[in-house]
Order: sequence, then structure tokens, then C-alpha cells
Amino acid sequence: EAAVTQSPRSKVAVTGGKVTLSCHQTNNHDYMYWYRQDTGHGLRLIHYSYVADSTEKGDIPDGYKASRPSQENFSLILELASLSQTAVYFCASSDLTGASQNTLYFGAGTRLSVL
Amino acid sequence: GQGVEQPDNLMSVEGTFARVNCTYSTSGFNGLSWYQQREGHAPVFLSYVVLDGLKDSGHFSTFLSRSNGYSYLLLTELQIKDSASYLCAVRDRGSALGRLHFGAGTQLIVIP
Repeated sequence: EAAVTQSPRSKVAVTGGKVTLSCHQTNNHDYMYWYRQDTGHGLRLIHYSYVADSTEKGDIPDGYKASRPSQENFSLILELASLSQTAVYFCASSDLTGASQNTLYFGAGTRLSVL
Repeated sequence: GQGVEQPDNLMSVEGTFARVNCTYSTSGFNGLSWYQQREGHAPVFLSYVVLDGLKDSGHFSTFLSRSNGYSYLLLTELQIKDSASYLCAVRDRGSALGRLHFGAGTQLIVIP
């Protein structure tokens, strides 16, 4: 009963193409996040959201857009995919306050390869 | 600047212990978390601390010193299955919402 579900699990895209990664959570959490992870590197925050219809830029937002149409859904959009965007992408959710804010629940990840 | 630093690798013997270190520098401090990530899987939450001292949670214990910008995760009675990457994450006060900054992770290898 995965509470954070990502789709697709893997994706091969062509340079310059459009890619949409989807995330759905059933935790009833307010916060949602998109991170990317590169081999040998930590998780880097791309975009996040604390309420539906609103998104915030993270540490590395360039080349990415995000959409939060509802509390449950959060998408990451690559309008013009580039080779440098090859990575594993994780979606996560968390509650709004206190210790819960620091407890992130991650999806299984999407492995994106841009060729 | 802001950063979370961890050693790349750590090796320990089954049945003993391992201490995974984390140092950080952020705009204010609003909590530190530890996550375990197995190869090919998502990170899983282990522990959260916001006050100084040692928090004993059995197999995993967490220490924090805010004045030194330092934390460690202590794993006792190591098992082979504890082999994984351990990620330190710090939430700052730089924005109203606070961002969670992750270290690159420490790869722990437990050997027989």
C-alpha cells in the first residue's frame, strides 16, 4: 500500500523532448517535493509545494517546471529535456508542522535517461 | 554558505558498531534527520533530532551538537543487512517554509 506512487518507474527520452513525471500521495500531506539524485551525489531539491495550485523553487529549478493541481498530485515537467537531466528522480511528501515536517516519505523513484 | 558534509565510505565488522558522521552549516537550524537508502531503493526515514544530546532508539541512536554543527548516527550490533547508504538532512530557517538540505550520504559496508 505505497503511500507515494511515482510514474513512470523508468523513462528514456530524447534530447529536446518533453517529459512529465507524475507523483500521487495518499498520506494527506500538505508538503510535496521533487528531488533528483545523481550517482555519488546527495538528493537535490528541484521544486516543492505546500498547498495545491502553488509551487516553490528549490535549489536547482532551472530546466524544470512543477504543477500541483491537487493535494494528492504533484508533477515535474521537463519542457526541453537535456543530457544533463539524466538522473533518478524522487518525489516525497511530508506533513506541515514540527517533527513531521522533517519526516519525508519517498516514492520509489523514476530513472530518467535522456539520449 | 550552506552545506551538509558526510564521509563517503565507512566499513565495520558484523556484531560491532558504526558511527556515521555529519557536519552542517545552514542559515539557522530547524532540525536534522537521518535516512537509510539501500541500493536501488528510495530513502527511508530513521530518526529526527532538534535538541542537543544523544537520542537512543535501540539499534539506531542519534547525537546532535548544534553549537558545533555536528551529528552522528550510531548503529550498534551491526548486521550484514545494515549495509546501505545513510543520508543526513538538515532543515534551515532561511525561508518561511524551510528547506531540507541533504548530504551526499555515507556508504556503510558491514563485513563478516
